[in-house]
Amino acid sequence: AQSVSQHNHHVILSEAASLELGCNYSYGGTVNLFWYVQYPGQHLQLLLKYFSGDPLVKGIKGFEAEFIKSKFSFNLRKPSVQWSDTAEYFCAVSPLSGYSTLTFGKGTMLLVSP
Amino acid sequence: NAGVTQTPKFQVLKTGQSMTLQCAQDMNHNSMYWYRQDPGMGLRLIYYSASEGTTDKGEVPNGYNVSRLNKREFSLRLESAAPSQTSVYFCASSEPGQGAKGQYFGPGTRLTVT
Repeated sequence: AQSVSQHNHHVILSEAASLELGCNYSYGGTVNLFWYVQYPGQHLQLLLKYFSGDPLVKGIKGFEAEFIKSKFSFNLRKPSVQWSDTAEYFCAVSPLSGYSTLTFGKGTMLLVSP
Repeated sequence: NAGVTQTPKFQVLKTGQSMTLQCAQDMNHNSMYWYRQDPGMGLRLIYYSASEGTTDKGEVPNGYNVSRLNKREFSLRLESAAPSQTSVYFCASSEPGQGAKGQYFGPGTRLTVT
């Protein structure tokens, strides 16, 4: 079975700082990868996804993520965070074989101070 | 399009009481899912339905039952609620096999069992 590990449970940044949230997965085969965001009091929204091709994927609100297959990693980045980026971020993985469901990491809570 | 809707938004139960959480989607998706979200645990899959007429257990199915009423609706039942079931419950939907390609989430039901 697959698993997802997110490196940090809590991250605190000042506005305009750069962001990188780590995500590693464990699975022997090919996977699809996702980052979801949950703003306070809201439901999860898809931030970006990787299926194949260019390992650098761009999502909404200036976020991007890079898939490094050799490291089983899919780290989320943003060059300059804003206060409105305060949210919880979840990495998720789904194997391509057969019918598959998403496995989520435990989440990283990002707090951006103005 | 309302997307994925859930009722109720909040619920308080006493230990031993039963209740059903309702979920409906209007995106004509074949697959639907129930998750629970607990602090520091991320999202964990309770049950899913790959298509109308089928249901399967996820990671944490004990204490729950589900019904795929039709293509649009997927309900989650707690027969005898326990304090350990205090959580936020999310319903999601996706295209089949594309559970891998991104799921759409409802607003959640916050359940407290006393």
